[in-house]
Amino acid sequence: GAVVSQHPSWVICKSGTSVKIECRSLDFQATTMFWYRQFPKQSLMLMATSNEGSKATYEQGVEKDKFLINHASLTLSTLTVTSAHPEDSSFYICSASGGIVEETQYFGPGTRLLVL
Amino acid sequence: DQQVKQNSPSLSVQEGRISILNCDYTNSMFDYFLWYKKYPAEGPTFLISISSIKDKNEDGRFTVFLNKSAKHLSLHIVPSQPGDSAVYFCAAGYNTDKLIFGTGTRLQVFP
Repeated sequence: GAVVSQHPSWVICKSGTSVKIECRSLDFQATTMFWYRQFPKQSLMLMATSNEGSKATYEQGVEKDKFLINHASLTLSTLTVTSAHPEDSSFYICSASGGIVEETQYFGPGTRLLVL
Repeated sequence: DQQVKQNSPSLSVQEGRISILNCDYTNSMFDYFLWYKKYPAEGPTFLISISSIKDKNEDGRFTVFLNKSAKHLSLHIVPSQPGDSAVYFCAAGYNTDKLIFGTGTRLQVFP
């Protein structure tokens, strides 16, 4: 139980284009979803927290107009990287909570983004 | 200011021996702690958690110890296996809020 999927698993795009990443909780309703970014050799950095039906809460330093988050339902959240640039290349990971052990976050497999 | 710290970036242990991964935190408001295991290019996998009202939680080969007075927790893996080689993150949270992650410790288990 508590499976979280992400799509796509990897994406390569040209600079200036927008990329959408989906995060789905497959077998539970996720009351809260989180988006993280991992830089090489660094910890996971929380970008934003989203609750179904409400606006996402962004961490300090994260541009909300750059990283659009939509938590459309209790099983789906999307992260759109708008006008992507090479410095946005990274590993993006979502997590969802609300499973059997409510405070536990279950992570998706991640999406590797490469902006050329 | 890093609220969750893993001071050892790497650890090398022989197969069959015990692996001890350490984590320190500064925020006394944290009321639950988790350990995750992460392989390259994959999302973290939940391993084990512990509430602040406990000082030990055991699950198979994995045991987490919490010392609240020292603001320290550790993950013990015994016996260690080559498949345990990965990066281990500790994380802390409160009120089912966001998790704060440490920087990770790379564990290598050699034959």
